[in-house]
Amino acid sequence: DVKVTQSSRYLVKRTGEKVFLECVQDMDHENMFWYRQDPGLGLRLIYFSYDVKMKEKGDIPEGYSVSREKKERFSLILESASTNQTSMYLCASSTSPGDYTFGSGTRLTVV
Amino acid sequence: KNQVEQSPQSLIILEGKNCTLQCNYTVSPFSNLRWYKQDTGRGPVSLTIMTFSENTKSNGRYTATLDADTKQSSLHITASQLSDSASYICVVSHGAGNNRKLIWGLGTSLAVNP
Repeated sequence: DVKVTQSSRYLVKRTGEKVFLECVQDMDHENMFWYRQDPGLGLRLIYFSYDVKMKEKGDIPEGYSVSREKKERFSLILESASTNQTSMYLCASSTSPGDYTFGSGTRLTVV
Repeated sequence: KNQVEQSPQSLIILEGKNCTLQCNYTVSPFSNLRWYKQDTGRGPVSLTIMTFSENTKSNGRYTATLDADTKQSSLHITASQLSDSASYICVVSHGAGNNRKLIWGLGTSLAVNP
């Protein structure tokens, strides 16, 4: 069974901390994505990557960075966490646009 | 402006009943439309994909329709079960190649009660 695995289901971090959200896929997909999901706002694209060491900004990249050193792993980094980054973070991978396999999500709370 | 609007925002039905969820879009150029199911606290899971030439597609008790002329899609759930309680999200893909983008709806929250 193909999988996208996010390292943490729940995280609580303090304001100003550096936060790493890890995502690993076992489907050999080229494309990987990070979204955040908030009530009333839906899914919003933060960053995506079409290949190793490649990254592109999505619609809301401010306050975030990413790393893709290996094909199967795509990391989202919050350089200095703030309370407005409290959200559900979803990682996805795909071979074709829109045909996403999502992870189970990480619910991040910044206090 | 490219938009995807879903209705109703939320819906409560009794187990065993049918329901229909709507998705209207103003996205151009259209590539495809997908319906996702998202259980509470989990990531979305793809139910079906509709391309321009397809009018109807079924996946078990889920049937999606697409009217490309009116830019409307619906997701019909037959003989609902408690496990159908979830958020259903419509997403439209537009553009081509490296310019392809996804426009996500806000979802319909469905509650199936016993």
